[in-house]
Amino acid sequence: EDQVTQSPEALRLQEGESSSLNCSYTVSGLRGLFWYRQDPGKGPEFLFTLYSAGEEKEKERLKATLTKKESFLHITAPKPEDSATYLCAVRETSGSRLTFGEGTQLTVNP
Amino acid sequence: GAVVSQHPSWVICKSGTSVKIECRSLDFQATTMFWYRQFPKQSLMLMATSNEGSKATYEQGVEKDKFLINHASLTLSTLTVTSAHPEDSSFYICSADRGQGIRQPQHFGDGTRLSIL
Repeated sequence: EDQVTQSPEALRLQEGESSSLNCSYTVSGLRGLFWYRQDPGKGPEFLFTLYSAGEEKEKERLKATLTKKESFLHITAPKPEDSATYLCAVRETSGSRLTFGEGTQLTVNP
Repeated sequence: GAVVSQHPSWVICKSGTSVKIECRSLDFQATTMFWYRQFPKQSLMLMATSNEGSKATYEQGVEKDKFLINHASLTLSTLTVTSAHPEDSSFYICSADRGQGIRQPQHFGDGTRLSIL
């Protein structure tokens, strides 16, 4: 059974204080690892897709990386508007469903 | 970008009422749609996978007769919560899959907050 574990559960940063979120996964065959951002009362918003170890994707202050066992979401010089819950999900080779982690709730203080 | 519309965004109703939630893909045809449930401070739990023109596949522990799913077209899937009770109160979110290859992510609607009194 697929397992996705995110850490930390919650992270509080000062504006400009860079950090990383972790997503560890166990799947029989990875068909894709996805990062989403979710604001309160909203559905998840797609950020990145990663497929193979060593792959990296960047968007503004966010950078996602992937190894064979985990993915990191690096946040450089965050701003208060980056505050949200960040969700990691995996898709295994046998189907199209996603398995989500519990998320990391990020708060960036001004 | 891809847009998935979910309606209504919020519904309050009495116990015993049936509630229908619609999920539409606005700018692409969705071969597969998914329905999730999310409790406060928790992640998304997949309830069922809906394929156009066929019966939905439900996850273990999800009551098929309680949560009726219909995917009548490539742009519309509906979830009906039948005879809803307070324990069915939750945040329900749908997503749509373009089906254009493994690199395509699921695109999510903005969810429906269901409150049963």
